Parts: sequence; C-alpha cells; structure tokens
Amino acid sequence: AIQLTQSPSSLSASVGDRVSITCRASQDISTALAWYQQKPGKAPNLLIYDASSLETGVPSRFSGSGSETDFTLTISSLQPEDFATYYCQQFNSYPLTFGGGTKVEIK
Amino acid sequence: QITLKESGPTLVKPTQTLTLTCTFSGFSLTTSGMGVGWIRQPPGKALEWLALIHWDGGKRYSPSLNSRLTITSDTSKNQVVLRLTNMDPVDTATYHCAHIGAANVLFNYWGQGILVTVSS
Repeated sequence: AIQLTQSPSSLSASVGDRVSITCRASQDISTALAWYQQKPGKAPNLLIYDASSLETGVPSRFSGSGSETDFTLTISSLQPEDFATYYCQQFNSYPLTFGGGTKVEIK
Repeated sequence: QITLKESGPTLVKPTQTLTLTCTFSGFSLTTSGMGVGWIRQPPGKALEWLALIHWDGGKRYSPSLNSRLTITSDTSKNQVVLRLTNMDPVDTATYHCAHIGAANVLFNYWGQGILVTVSS
C-alpha cells in the first residue's frame, strides 16, 4: 500500500498568514492526489484534486502543487474559517490511502 | 444536488456484525462512472478507506479488513450497504459514505457520518 506522510502534524498560524502543508507519497503517484478539509464534528470537504485542480466553490486562496512523491497544499492568506484539519488522499492505486492529517490552529 | 446519509446501529457488541446503510440522492449508481465508498475515522484519528462499489458492480476492499467486509448496492432504493463482521472495540469510529465521481476515485460528496461504538 502507498503510504502518505503529512507534515507538520499540526501548526499554529495567524489570520493572514501564508500556510503550507506537505504530503509525501511512498512511491510515484503521478498527480493522483486530493486534499480535504475537515472541521470538528463534520465530514471532510474536497478542496483539491489531481494535485492542483481547485474543486468548484473552493476559495482561490487554496492551491495545490506537486507530482510524483511530493505535494503541497498552500493557503495564501489564512482566514478564520480555515482553521481545521487537512488530509491528503491518493487515488493512483488500491488500496486508497489518506495521510495522517495536519491540524491548523489559531496562534 | 447530491446528498448521502448513513444509518444503522450506534452501539454494537464485540463479535457482532455491523450493517450500515447509505441512502443517497442526486445521482444514480447505474450511471457510468459513479460509485459510493465507505471511509471511517476513529475518534481523534485519521481517515481510513474501507470499501467502494462502482456503477458496474465492481467492488474494492481495504486489504487489512477484506476478510470482514462486504459491500452491496440496491440501485432501486438508491442504497449501498456495508457489512463488517466480528466487531471489536478498535472498530469504534465514525463511518462515512461518500460519492465517487466519474473522473477519479476520490470523494466529492460525503454523508454526515454515523458514530458506531463497540462495547459490551
């Protein structure tokens, strides 16, 4: 199974900060990567697919980049509603796998 | 508008079989490319993919749980059912079903989830 390692596992940031989260795959997955945002008590919400494509309705301050084994989710200017946990997911091959999550907290 | 909702028991005893139903609307599982998957999340932990079923009846399972899982669909009722046998306290989690779109095997619409506790 392809392992996804996210870093950091948590971070503290202020409103307006630029934030980057990385996801490293244990083998080449091309651009078969998605990013989700999850708020406490809620279901995850798809943000990015194909490593860099923005899902419809997602604010443009979210962006994704990367290919093969190294990927990044960037929030250009953190907003109060962005404090949440973020997960990456690979869909290159079965079994589908998720990263361990990155919790973005208020500084 | 695509919606999904999970239903089933919220408390099961060890060794029992868990049966969860996902009732969806806004799409048909007979439409080419569509699918429904199940993902779970133990309290305070990460997401874990369990199983999925495609529009053509194709099924995939997590290898770590493969021997315990069964996924089926009833297209006339717009439902997908997940069965997990021999439940253990470590299976305590929120179980979500989610829609899979035509392009890729990712989850673009999710149900709210159902918290299932395994305890005697």
